[in-house]
Amino acid sequence: LAKTTQPISMDSYEGQEVNITCSHNNIATNDYITWYQQFPSQGPRFIIQGYKTKVTNEVASLFIPADRKSSTLSLPRVSLSDTAVYYCLVGDAAGGSYIPTFGRGTSLIVHP
Amino acid sequence: DSGVTQTPKHLITATGQRVTLRCSPRSGDLSVYWYQQSLDQGLQFLIQYYNGEERAKGNILERFSAQQFPDLHSELNLSSLELGDSALYFCASSGTSGRSYNEQFFGPGTRLTVL
Repeated sequence: LAKTTQPISMDSYEGQEVNITCSHNNIATNDYITWYQQFPSQGPRFIIQGYKTKVTNEVASLFIPADRKSSTLSLPRVSLSDTAVYYCLVGDAAGGSYIPTFGRGTSLIVHP
Repeated sequence: DSGVTQTPKHLITATGQRVTLRCSPRSGDLSVYWYQQSLDQGLQFLIQYYNGEERAKGNILERFSAQQFPDLHSELNLSSLELGDSALYFCASSGTSGRSYNEQFFGPGTRLTVL
């Protein structure tokens, strides 16, 4: 079964770069890796997605090594508003169906 | 605003009761996913429907059931409620059938409290 492991929490300061790593040793060959951000009492929100190598958008970068057994979400120059829980999501193909499997999430606290 | 709506926002009920949670997906989205989020279990996938048909099933209890209607809205029915069912229930939608590359748009959630 697909399973993800992330650090439970991280602390940073405004203006710093934050890297959050997720391990997913049993990722399927055709599975993408997706990261979501969640604020308290809100639904998760899509941040970035990738399959291999590096993906960058206006808010983050995603680094995926060649073996795809882990991925690293990079948030450049974080601000207080980036304080949230970050989840990586992979799939688990069960009987041909895609079962979305979220990690337990990393609680990021950004300090002034 | 993700475009996904969920009602009610809060629900307080007693053990043994039955409740129905409602979700309206984004306009045009055919897939609806249901998740349960509790403090000790994180975000757990329950079930997915695509265009009215069940497409994938996760850790959904037999006391729980769901359906997707012709207008694509979905309902999650929780029966014989227990204290441990207290959680945030999220609905998400995506444009196509469940694939890992489909971005999911989450609703604001329904907070269920079982007393």
